[in-house]
Amino acid sequence: DGGITQSPKYLFRKEGQNVTLSCEQNLNHDAMYWYRQDPGQGLRLIYYSQIVNDFQKGDIAEGYSVSREKKESFPLTVTSAQKNPTAFYLCASSWEGTYNEQFFGPGTRLTVL
Amino acid sequence: GESVGLHLPTLSVQEGDNSIINCAYSNSASDYFIWYKQESGKGPQFIIDIRSNMDKRQGQRVTVLLNKTVKHLSLQIAATQPGDSAVYFCAENSGGYQKVTFGTGTKLQVIP
Repeated sequence: DGGITQSPKYLFRKEGQNVTLSCEQNLNHDAMYWYRQDPGQGLRLIYYSQIVNDFQKGDIAEGYSVSREKKESFPLTVTSAQKNPTAFYLCASSWEGTYNEQFFGPGTRLTVL
Repeated sequence: GESVGLHLPTLSVQEGDNSIINCAYSNSASDYFIWYKQESGKGPQFIIDIRSNMDKRQGQRVTVLLNKTVKHLSLQIAATQPGDSAVYFCAENSGGYQKVTFGTGTKLQVIP
């Protein structure tokens, strides 16, 4: 059963701690993305990756870091430098050349206490 | 579910009626316009896209209309069903991976 998975669904961390959100896909997609979603707002792009070992900053990359060591995996680290990390984080993937149709995971709700 | 629907414009439609969800866009240079559906507690799901040189495109039970003169995009859902209840986002693609920009969304409530 192909798809994109994110875990955990809910995550709680203390202020000042780094936290890593996982994203795995078995769709054989080349491109992967991380978005942040806040209540009443659309999705904002944090980072994206076109191929393994390559990634680019999106609109709101400050305070976040990513890696792309494997095609299937694109973890996102929310660092202590992110001023307002509490949000809903969505990972997506797409085939190269079909950027309009992105497949999204179920999301991770991060709450920083 | 997630609170992503808070503070969003809401459209309430009777089951079986047609729904029209509207979106205003700002970038005249966008190559594609896209609609996504997000059900409560889930990630968004692609519905349909339309290239900027088209005025209309139809899918299964959905029609997207593009009016470039007034920079307006609409999604029409025929015979709305309870399963259509969700937040609907329009998005623009002005070229490349990093250029898909999402709007704020409209919440569709289907009244049984």
